[in-house]
Amino acid sequence: GDSVTQMEGPVTLSEEAFLTINCTYTATGYPSLFWYVQYPGEGLQLLLKATKADDKGSNKGFEATYRKETTSFHLEKGSVQVSDSAVYFCALGTRSEKLVFGKGTKLTVNP
Amino acid sequence: GAVVSQHPSRVICKSGTSVKIECRSLDFQATTMFWYRQFPKQSLMLMATSNEGSKATYEQGVEKDKFLINHASLTLSTLTVTSAHPEDSSFYICSAMGGRGAPGEQYFGPGTRLTVT
Repeated sequence: GDSVTQMEGPVTLSEEAFLTINCTYTATGYPSLFWYVQYPGEGLQLLLKATKADDKGSNKGFEATYRKETTSFHLEKGSVQVSDSAVYFCALGTRSEKLVFGKGTKLTVNP
Repeated sequence: GAVVSQHPSRVICKSGTSVKIECRSLDFQATTMFWYRQFPKQSLMLMATSNEGSKATYEQGVEKDKFLINHASLTLSTLTVTSAHPEDSSFYICSAMGGRGAPGEQYFGPGTRLTVT
């Protein structure tokens, strides 16, 4: 079945460091791929998305490229800020319209 | 656009009572709504999928008589936790599909923290 595997962390970085959170998936067909972010005590917010191979999603300095050949959708940011501290979830959209989530990666950015 | 609200944001109830949580899509019509449960430091667990005017589809292991879901309109779904017990304490999040999102894209509410004493 469809599944998502992401780096579990936690990840601790200093401000302005480079961030990579790995995400790989298994799915039939060509699912849409998403990164969601969850701040403490809140629901999920869509960070970025990609709907087909080689698409690059980007938002707020974060980027991820839909790589069909490696079935990956790694999240990157060149210079993280303290305000980026949150839990990040990689997800794919299944044919039944459900989302399959990775386990989440907690990011802490220290000043 | 694509805003989903939940009410209440926090609720404390006594064991044995029932609690209703509302989920509304504010600026779009939601063809499908989802209810999730999230335990501390864990990912989201899908509880059920609901479509307007039809019965909800529950995931395996979720008690449909305990977690009643009603999707009365294209903008409102409710989750009622019946005869709540302390083990039902959790963070409940709803999401909605519709609007102009990508295939499979869901818009999430801010969540409801339920504490059963």
